[in-house]
Amino acid sequence: QKEVEQDPGPLSVPEGAIVSLNCTYSNSAFQYFMWYRQYSRKGPELLMYTYSSGNKEDGRFTAQVDKSSKYISLFIRDSQPSDSATYLCAMSEGSGTYKYIFGTGTRLKVLA
Amino acid sequence: DAGVIQSPRHEVTEMGQEVTLRCKPISGHDYLFWYRQTMMRGLELLIYFNNNVPIDDSGMPEDRFSAKMPNASFSTLKIQPSEPRDSAVYFCASGLGGRPQHFGDGTRLSIL
Repeated sequence: QKEVEQDPGPLSVPEGAIVSLNCTYSNSAFQYFMWYRQYSRKGPELLMYTYSSGNKEDGRFTAQVDKSSKYISLFIRDSQPSDSATYLCAMSEGSGTYKYIFGTGTRLKVLA
Repeated sequence: DAGVIQSPRHEVTEMGQEVTLRCKPISGHDYLFWYRQTMMRGLELLIYFNNNVPIDDSGMPEDRFSAKMPNASFSTLKIQPSEPRDSAVYFCASGLGGRPQHFGDGTRLSIL
């Protein structure tokens, strides 16, 4: 079993829909959680960074962490065709180590 | 700022040859990360530096891989000798406080 699991998709939604992207993990020591967006043939772009449990909102994006369930989510409101990309989650124990473990990514397609 | 700059963008070489990948991080960032991305394994951390000092190289697959950071504005990842299974996209990322915040656009490496 991988430390971080992510459904590869593709996930297809109509423009304007609310998108929910998820990751599960097995290491209860993870404390730092990040979401990246990666366009084809480009490097990942950091979208959200959260520490421990709770919610964080930034514009159309909301990141949610549920440590009791070992489950994190990224919600995208009012999705746009330009949101079509692969979304990667990443997480780390912190405490002096910055070895972030990445999920393999979920492909999202927002249809105009 | 120009962002993280990687060179070359593409490299095709024959098995057994030496390969050198280069990275210029964003000025002022104190952490530099090297990752490898494949379809099967996703993004994997190879090594990271803090203030030019290697901190964790546990992800370097074999002695054939080596990385250096002679100063704050330059890092190299070298593979010698290269093998077909090294074919992947190699990313460099830099950031503050231990987070891989900004990625370059990667070097697409093909070993024939």
